[in-house]
Amino acid sequence: AAGVIQSPRHLIKEKRETATLKCYPIPRHDTVYWYQQGPGQDPQFLISFYEKMQSDKGSIPDRFSAQQFSDYHSELNMSSLELGDSALYFCASSDTGARTAVYGYTFGSGTRLTVV
Amino acid sequence: AQTVTQSQPEMSVQEAETVTLSCTYDTSESDYYLFWYKQPPSRQMILVIRQEAYKQQNATENRFSVNFQKAAKSFSLKISDSQLGDAAMYFCAYITTGNTPLVFGKGTRLSVIA
Repeated sequence: AAGVIQSPRHLIKEKRETATLKCYPIPRHDTVYWYQQGPGQDPQFLISFYEKMQSDKGSIPDRFSAQQFSDYHSELNMSSLELGDSALYFCASSDTGARTAVYGYTFGSGTRLTVV
Repeated sequence: AQTVTQSQPEMSVQEAETVTLSCTYDTSESDYYLFWYKQPPSRQMILVIRQEAYKQQNATENRFSVNFQKAAKSFSLKISDSQLGDAAMYFCAYITTGNTPLVFGKGTRLSVIA
């Protein structure tokens, strides 16, 4: 079965640079969630989109922005990168109409961002 | 706001033995779902088991079972016949029936001793 695809798997950026992370949800899933997991930390919710509209917002810095496109894939744009942005960034998807979220998210493998 | 608390940062268990990981949560909702996720060194987030709040019967998946105490807002995970491959971070998580995002606890790191 198709899973959530994230790219790239690894990314190394310098401070003050910009990074773009991509997430391709499971086919027919209309909702995408982004989480940030720092070293030794629990995943923290950043932002979610339903039908290309922002549906919920967590602890996402103002330097970050995200959007969901017509094909339901999502991109997380991170500007003015700081050392503290180094983390694993997870994406998950669900079918809101079918309430698949209550069966548990399907997570992608994550993008490991290292800021040097 | 809903919160999930895992009071055991680290646990260890002998291979083939049984271990229980604790989780409590706080919510004013009556309808919600609880999960245990496993995160091995690969960092992939894997769903282990799921419990529906309106079901009194505890969920079971092979060697994994939960003890769900709704009144006490407690949701512990029992791993029987522990295997070396069970070594991982385990996260307890909560979601309501609405579109609110999944909320995670801080996690428990489980070591399995051969």
